[in-house]
Amino acid sequence: DAKTTQPPSMDCAEGRAANLPCNHSTISGNEYVYWYRQIHSQGPQYIIHGLKNNETNEMASLIITEDRKSSTLILPHATLRDTAVYYCIVRPQGGGSNYKLTFGKGTLLTVNP
Amino acid sequence: KAGVTQTPRYLIKTRGQQVTLSCSPISGHRSVSWYQQTPGQGLQFLFEYFSETQRNKGNFPGRFSGRQFSNSRSEMNVSTLELGDSALYLCASSLAVGGSSYEQYFGPGTRLTVT
Repeated sequence: DAKTTQPPSMDCAEGRAANLPCNHSTISGNEYVYWYRQIHSQGPQYIIHGLKNNETNEMASLIITEDRKSSTLILPHATLRDTAVYYCIVRPQGGGSNYKLTFGKGTLLTVNP
Repeated sequence: KAGVTQTPRYLIKTRGQQVTLSCSPISGHRSVSWYQQTPGQGLQFLFEYFSETQRNKGNFPGRFSGRQFSNSRSEMNVSTLELGDSALYLCASSLAVGGSSYEQYFGPGTRLTVT
């Protein structure tokens, strides 16, 4: 799997947008970018994923650069409950032995009141 | 729809003992994966089961094993427990019926403490 690089920590003010970057410069053409988050002592929570185009759901938006070497997860209006470790994961298309997720250290996002 | 459930939530065992953890996936999900999370190593993949067959295995010793039943429920077993096995064990399920992408949904985990 391609490796990802994320800042170890970020701060964000409550109500403001949180923009979490991820570098995946060695990503291959058939690899997706996934984002998960883990609130302290809970299981990771799926947020969003994408291949080439920008994606948006009720939780967040995912912006992938044209060359696909980096992406940004955007939480439009961060709340205190968004404080968590955010993981950016690159994974090949489904099938065979490719279903595992390889987690890095992620980014600890702290939302401040 | 009910989420992924794991039992027990907390467990204390002694070195040398064995332990069995259980995971019930989301209804309709056929793939179950197991992960170990420790402060030092982070989240590490253990194995994945689909239709009662192990499809993928991480880099863990043979003391770690698992199985999946016909109803997709899964168990993992750790024999001859060591202090280093103390961790949060997470189970994740997904549809995994093919196609280009899928999402994994995680349970709350089982916190295992080995003394």
